Amino acid sequence: AQSVTQLGSHVSVSEGALVLLRCNYSSSVPPYLFWYVQYPNQGLQLLLKYTTGATLVKGINGFEAEFKKSETSFHLTKPSAHMSDAAEYFCAVSTGFQKLVFGTGTRLLVSP
Amino acid sequence: SQTIHQWPATLVQPVGSPLSLECTVEGTSNPNLYWYRQAAGRGLQLLFYSVGIGQISSEVPQNLSASRPQDRQFILSSKKLLLSDSGFYLCAWTPRGTEAFFGQGTRLTVV
Repeated sequence: AQSVTQLGSHVSVSEGALVLLRCNYSSSVPPYLFWYVQYPNQGLQLLLKYTTGATLVKGINGFEAEFKKSETSFHLTKPSAHMSDAAEYFCAVSTGFQKLVFGTGTRLLVSP
Repeated sequence: SQTIHQWPATLVQPVGSPLSLECTVEGTSNPNLYWYRQAAGRGLQLLFYSVGIGQISSEVPQNLSASRPQDRQFILSSKKLLLSDSGFYLCAWTPRGTEAFFGQGTRLTVV
């Protein structure tokens, strides 16, 4: 069965600093992997996805993630944090019928 | 373009009362539809999914049920709400592809 582990329920960075949100997955089949962002009391917005092909995936708002099969990881990064990046971030793996298994989320806090 | 509508945005219901949350998708046909729940401090859990009219699969045993009376309509229901049903409910759809698109969610508080 597929599963997702997100290390760190909260990550704090200063504005302009590197953002690194960690995600490790477990999957018995080649995974489809996703990062979603959630702002308070809103739905989830897709940041980026990995299906096949290039392992470095670029998404919206300057985020990118690298699929590393040997490490079963799909960490999310952004070179320079903005105040508007403060939100909750979810990593997910897709199972059959495009069902998603989510991690427990990481809340990103950005300080001036 | 495709859009997903979910309502109501917030709901406060007493224990033992019924529930009906509705989700509709526009601009597509024959989507896969999903209901997820996000409990306080926890990730999202898949409750139900549907690959077609009248076809509902339940992922976890619970006090809730789902129905799909029309191709682009997905309804989450309960006959009698429990306190543990409180949470943030999200409807989602996928084209016959990969990523899911989410509605804006319903915040349900059972009192």
